[in-house]
Amino acid sequence: DIQMTQSPSSLSASVGDRVTITCRASQGISNSLAWYQQRPGKAPKLLLYAASILESGVPSRFSGSGSGTDFTLTISSLQPEDFASYYCQQYYITPPWTFGQGTTVEMK
Amino acid sequence: QVQVVESGGGVVQPGGSLTLSCAASGFTFTDHGIHWVRQAPGKGLEWVSYIRQDGSTEYYADSVKGRFSISRDNSKRTVYLQMNSLRDEDTAAYYCARTLYGAHDAFDVWGQGTMVGVSS
Repeated sequence: DIQMTQSPSSLSASVGDRVTITCRASQGISNSLAWYQQRPGKAPKLLLYAASILESGVPSRFSGSGSGTDFTLTISSLQPEDFASYYCQQYYITPPWTFGQGTTVEMK
Repeated sequence: QVQVVESGGGVVQPGGSLTLSCAASGFTFTDHGIHWVRQAPGKGLEWVSYIRQDGSTEYYADSVKGRFSISRDNSKRTVYLQMNSLRDEDTAAYYCARTLYGAHDAFDVWGQGTMVGVSS
């Protein structure tokens, strides 16, 4: 199975900050990577797929990059509604569809 | 609008059974595979099971293989997850999610989740 490792596990940031989250796959997955946001008590929400394609309706302050084993999710200017947990997921070799352990973005 | 809605959660004793349902609306149901994903309290997301659009293919996580069974009734626009021999570690919120239409296998529509508790 492909293992997905996110870093950091948590981070503290302020409104307006630029935030970067990293996801590493245990083997190459081309660009078959998605990013999800999960606010407390809510269902996950798809932000990006194919590593860098923004899902419809997602603000342009979210962006993704990477290919192979190393990927990045960037929030260019953190907004109050962005304090949440973020998960990467690979869908290159399935089953299983595997998620990273998550990164929690907390208010500084 | 496009949505999936889970139901059927509850509290059961270890060794018990439960069937979850995922009802879809607002989109062409037979165009999409459906997944179940769970999240134990305070933990991350864990993929559980998948069923293809026509029901011809099913996949399971190793942690539930042999105990859980996924099925779908396209006439009712509903996917089911039959859960048998439940264990403490199956306690979680269970989400169903639709597979993105096209070449990329991300999950683009999620339900609100249904809670399953396994406890004596």
